[in-house]
Amino acid sequence: SQQGEEDPQALSIQEGENATMNCSYKTSINNLQWYRQNSGRGLVHLILIRSNEREKHSGRLRVTLDTSKKSSSLLITASRAADTASYFCATDKTGANNLFFGTGTRLTVIP
Amino acid sequence: DVKVTQSSRYLVKRTGEKVFLECVQDMDHENMFWYRQDPGLGLRLIYFSYDVKMKEKGDIPEGYSVSREKKERFSLILESASTNQTSMYLCASSKPVLETMNTEAFFGQGTRLTVV
Repeated sequence: SQQGEEDPQALSIQEGENATMNCSYKTSINNLQWYRQNSGRGLVHLILIRSNEREKHSGRLRVTLDTSKKSSSLLITASRAADTASYFCATDKTGANNLFFGTGTRLTVIP
Repeated sequence: DVKVTQSSRYLVKRTGEKVFLECVQDMDHENMFWYRQDPGLGLRLIYFSYDVKMKEKGDIPEGYSVSREKKERFSLILESASTNQTSMYLCASSKPVLETMNTEAFFGQGTRLTVV
């Protein structure tokens, strides 16, 4: 299976702190994406990083990708209570249309 | 504003019923997907379609079928609902990767199905 695995499964931090989530995957990929899901809702795309990129920023999000280790990290800086959600990484195989999702990290930001 | 719409947020069905979950997207996307999401298991791909009248099995197709008669609509069918199909069902759409090299998927709000 190419499914990604997020680590940790759950993370609880105080508002204002940074949150780091990690994702590992098994096979070569074209892109890696991070999605966010609020409780009981659909997924929302956050950021995409291509296999030839090592780091990307979007607002308070910072994503890194290490293809040699088949891993990625998502950093949320200066967290807010509204960042409370589940975060999923998703990978695809080169040339394929399907996305493979991990089991997610449940982030709780305490006000 | 791009949109993927699932016909129901919540459904309760009886064991043995035939259940239809509808998904419509307004982005002219070729690719459409059905996932189910269960605690601790993440999202698992049930079926997908790359074009009208085309369908392919995902990781867990057993007990399900799909229909793609029009580009914008992708239906998931539970032929005979069972209690182990109680889950959150998510529909998604995307452009073909060879067209955009960007596999960003757009998701509907989800349908929480309970089979009793």
